[in-house]
Amino acid sequence: GAGVSQSPSNKVTEKGKDVELRCDPISGHTALYWYRQSLGQGLEFLIYFQGNSAPDKSGLPSDRFSAERTGGSVSTLTIQRTQQEDSAVYLCASSQTGAGASYNEQFFGPGTRLTVL
Amino acid sequence: AQSVSQHNHHVILSEAASLELGCNYSYGGTVNLFWYVQYPGQHLQLLLKYFSGDPLVKGIKGFEAEFIKSKFSFNLRKPSVQWSDTAEYFCAVTPQNSWGKLQFGAGTQVVVTP
Repeated sequence: GAGVSQSPSNKVTEKGKDVELRCDPISGHTALYWYRQSLGQGLEFLIYFQGNSAPDKSGLPSDRFSAERTGGSVSTLTIQRTQQEDSAVYLCASSQTGAGASYNEQFFGPGTRLTVL
Repeated sequence: AQSVSQHNHHVILSEAASLELGCNYSYGGTVNLFWYVQYPGQHLQLLLKYFSGDPLVKGIKGFEAEFIKSKFSFNLRKPSVQWSDTAEYFCAVTPQNSWGKLQFGAGTQVVVTP
């Protein structure tokens, strides 16, 4: 497809369970980002991947959160031992990289709504 | 620390009214500036962006924003809103020449009444 896709669109889980959220970026985009949108915290950066460089994990809220990007394309965000405060919409975005105004524009997916009971 | 402030959390206005949403940022270096919009039930979309050059930038759907460097501001405007402009609007910042993380403001919920 032409845009960023995410799956599942909705996920309901029980406290303490692990969840995996998937992101398919726009083809050719080398940068991939995860954000979280929640009522109390607004839009927060979690992690980003740029090509083969080590990811910037500075926004991950705890060591229960991790992410990987396989083959420079698809990414999976994993939350272990979920807590109720993890309930949020998890957004993925991708962008081209390089100099100039045509780059550095992040295109967002529809998000995964995670509910932890 | 870098921060982004949006002045209004909730705005209600009538169709044909003018809209201005404030955004101020705190950052020591040069930045790229963005306004994103999230319509009900839809994902975030880019309205407009500023990288360099003319500080008055025009985006989609009749929106424009003005970068005032001395005031660290990037306010969004639309002269005449429509009901379809009902949405949440987010200002965002990232350091220039960086493809790093966006730092978002808290968002402004705009409701346009017919």
